[in-house]
Amino acid sequence: EVRLIESGGGLVKPGGSLRLSCEASGFSFSGYSMNWVRQAPGKGLEWLSSISSSSSYIYYADSVRGRFTISRDNAKNSLFLQMDSLRVEDTAVYYCARPSVGWGQGTLVTVSS
Amino acid sequence: DIQMTQSPSSLSASVGDRVTITCQASQDISNFLDWYQQKPGRAPKLLIKTASNLETGVPSRFSGSGSGTDFTLTINSLQPEDIATYFCLRYDDFPYTFGQGTKLEIK
Repeated sequence: EVRLIESGGGLVKPGGSLRLSCEASGFSFSGYSMNWVRQAPGKGLEWLSSISSSSSYIYYADSVRGRFTISRDNAKNSLFLQMDSLRVEDTAVYYCARPSVGWGQGTLVTVSS
Repeated sequence: DIQMTQSPSSLSASVGDRVTITCQASQDISNFLDWYQQKPGRAPKLLIKTASNLETGVPSRFSGSGSGTDFTLTINSLQPEDIATYFCLRYDDFPYTFGQGTKLEIK
């Protein structure tokens, strides 16, 4: 069974930082590119970032480029998202996801003073 | 960027009905499209992968079709537990994009 478990969300002030983690199991994590997606309250889904299986290729949405950094540790079957310079509009549930494989349950990030 | 146009945005149907939701890509995406179901407060659940392949454990009343630019999710014999929002995701190239979602209600 594919499992993706995110952690690291919470309440942070504008301008602050958070690091999200996603632990994967049930599939060959090291062989797949991985992604972060978010969903603001009551809104649709927004793709944020992707990283190739070997970390050679990394892509960001314009909304987070320069503020967020994606990384992975294949030895630990883990995906990360370092979020800096957080804004109120970054408030959302953050998912790690792999198309055609599965999504995590999400972790809530709230940016508020 | 490739855009996905999903329709309808909302749909009301009766138990036992056949329901069809469509996604149209602004250019050819081959079969790099998934369909998901999302219930309130829950994570998206994969229903159909690569346009037409039923995910393991998903009821066979769900099916997907299409390739290129036009894709369809069909629910045969709608059940009360199918109340949810459905959306498509294209992943042929970056940035990935989602359909706007279809909120399905039971009459």
